[in-house]
Amino acid sequence: GAGVSQTPSNKVTEKGKYVELRCDPISGHTALYWYRQSLGQGPEFLIYFQGTGAADDSGLPNDRFFAVRPEGSVSTLKIQRTERGDSAVYLCASSLKAGGLGSPLHFGNGTRLTVT
Amino acid sequence: GENVEQHPSTLSVQEGDSAVIKCTYSDSASNYFPWYKQELGKRPQLIIDIRSNVGEKKDQRIAVTLNKTAKHFSLHITETQPEDSAVYFCAASIGPSNTGKLIFGQGTTLQVKP
Repeated sequence: GAGVSQTPSNKVTEKGKYVELRCDPISGHTALYWYRQSLGQGPEFLIYFQGTGAADDSGLPNDRFFAVRPEGSVSTLKIQRTERGDSAVYLCASSLKAGGLGSPLHFGNGTRLTVT
Repeated sequence: GENVEQHPSTLSVQEGDSAVIKCTYSDSASNYFPWYKQELGKRPQLIIDIRSNVGEKKDQRIAVTLNKTAKHFSLHITETQPEDSAVYFCAASIGPSNTGKLIFGQGTTLQVKP
């Protein structure tokens, strides 16, 4: 079936602007994660959802970052007052559930965000 | 805080040789250790994973070993092929209960020369 889908694939914005990044997880996956990957680094955890609620947002760098998943499927990562340091690839991943056997992460292709 | 160290950062081998990548982790509560392969501009893809109640797992040319006492785990690729060339990331679960909340290593760029 279809994998994790992220849109847009690329986003260029000016410093100070607001952006929204969308993630459509694999159908039936209850857990959804956002990671950020800077050039030459491994992905860094931001937030995860179990169903509609943000179960753990401890990785969000500051209050300019916010994410929602209102119906327990599609999620949107929102970044206010973007800064050049926010430039990175934002990866979304989903898994069947948040723990237990047989629930590996499946990543999307990511959104490359460039803040000029 | 939790940390995962990965070595080497780059690895070049001849086709047919073996490649070994090593990782150490700091959180003794970690109990899930996946390995991801990422080709340039593409998504990380899971290639193998291991849980803390298992010491070794093998899948064709790929194997992973785990030493919980020493808090390190390794990826072994045998009979390497040019298509194995990519960046490989190890990861460890942050805490014992969520296999999706991971801390990743810095990555190893593997080059397999034909």
